[in-house]
Amino acid sequence: GDSVTQMEGPVTLSEEACLTINCTYTATGYPSLFWYVQYPGEGLQLLLKATKADDKGSNKGFEATYRKETTSFHLEKGSVQVSDSAVYFCALSSGGGADGLTFGKGTHLIIQP
Amino acid sequence: DAGVTQSPTHLIKTRGQQVTLRCSPKSGHDTVSWYQQALGQGPQFIFQYYEEEERQRGNFPDRFSGHQFPNYSSELNVNALLLGDSALYLCASRLDIQETQYFGPGTRLLVL
Repeated sequence: GDSVTQMEGPVTLSEEACLTINCTYTATGYPSLFWYVQYPGEGLQLLLKATKADDKGSNKGFEATYRKETTSFHLEKGSVQVSDSAVYFCALSSGGGADGLTFGKGTHLIIQP
Repeated sequence: DAGVTQSPTHLIKTRGQQVTLRCSPKSGHDTVSWYQQALGQGPQFIFQYYEEEERQRGNFPDRFSGHQFPNYSSELNVNALLLGDSALYLCASRLDIQETQYFGPGTRLLVL
């Protein structure tokens, strides 16, 4: 079945550091890929998405590129802020969107001033 | 434009009881999915409703059931509660022709 593996946390960085959170997936067909963010005490918010190979999703300075050859969708940001502290989830959707999302376990990101 | 809303926000039950959680989708959305998020884990897909029918189901027992109403709102019912059912239950909605799901704040269920 489908699965998502992302790096374990917590990941602790200083403000203005570069961020990479690794995400790899296993899926049948051609899934769509997503990054969701969960701030403390809140629900999940869509951060970015990509629906086909080589697509790059971007939002709020975050980027991720759909790499079919390596089955990866790593999340990157050039300069993180304290407000980026949250839990980040990589997820996929197979079957043209009719399927439920399959999530990774989440990566807790802590940014120190 | 109201987003996805869920009620109640918190709930405490005892083993063996039954619980009903409610979800109102984002305006204009017709498809509702439910997820269970255990502490420290990613959400797990329970099922999805479209046109008042269960369209897809994840790996959850029959104790978990649902319903979708003509106004697209939805309920999640869990019977014979177990301690392991303690989790954050998330509702997500979308328009059937689009892929992106929008999540509500969740209902935190504690089973004692």
